[in-house]
Amino acid sequence: DTGVSQNPRHKITKRGQNVTFRCDPISEHNRLYWYRQTLGQGPEFLTYFQNEAQLEKSRLLSDRFSAERPKGSFSTLEIQRTEQGDSAMYLCASSLSVAGVEQYFGPGTRLTVT
Amino acid sequence: RKEVEQDPGPFNVPEGATVAFNCTYSNSASQSFFWYRQDCRKEPKLLMSVYSSGNEDGRFTAQLNRASQYISLLIRDSKLSDSATYLCVVKRPNDYKLSFGAGTTVTVRA
Repeated sequence: DTGVSQNPRHKITKRGQNVTFRCDPISEHNRLYWYRQTLGQGPEFLTYFQNEAQLEKSRLLSDRFSAERPKGSFSTLEIQRTEQGDSAMYLCASSLSVAGVEQYFGPGTRLTVT
Repeated sequence: RKEVEQDPGPFNVPEGATVAFNCTYSNSASQSFFWYRQDCRKEPKLLMSVYSSGNEDGRFTAQLNRASQYISLLIRDSKLSDSATYLCVVKRPNDYKLSFGAGTTVTVRA
């Protein structure tokens, strides 16, 4: 399967713990995006990378959130000191650097903070 | 006001029926428009792009009305497999991120 992959698929953690998610984009895609989706809502943009450069961060991305894409390939999203409000599906997407091109989404990591 | 607003539904229709729904967007500068489909607990997948002149893809027809800032999706001859949440998506020029509506749920019954 050459689509976007995400790990883990599910994560249950206790409030206050740190969690890290990984996204592997489609290999030739140099743009990578993170979105968050809560029940009954559409995905909301969190952050975006062009190769290894993080070019935009949403105000939804508080200081407890950090994302990296160290070699312009896979990306990690870390949440420190998790809160119950962080419970959501975290979606990763990738695309080529062409205007209007489709973003391909991974299966997501479902986070539950207890 | 949300950038993209959709009627959440649900739209419950029998097989073979036609169902149509709209979404509205607030930013008149929006340039690209899409419909994504999302099955329960799955990732969104692109259904179709929406072009100014309107476009069809099989049983699906999308329309764009820039003056009134709304986008529509019509599904003809509904199949059970069309049951899903349909997400309206807009993108501004020179922007990278997609702005999603909350989705319209369609359930096709036998």
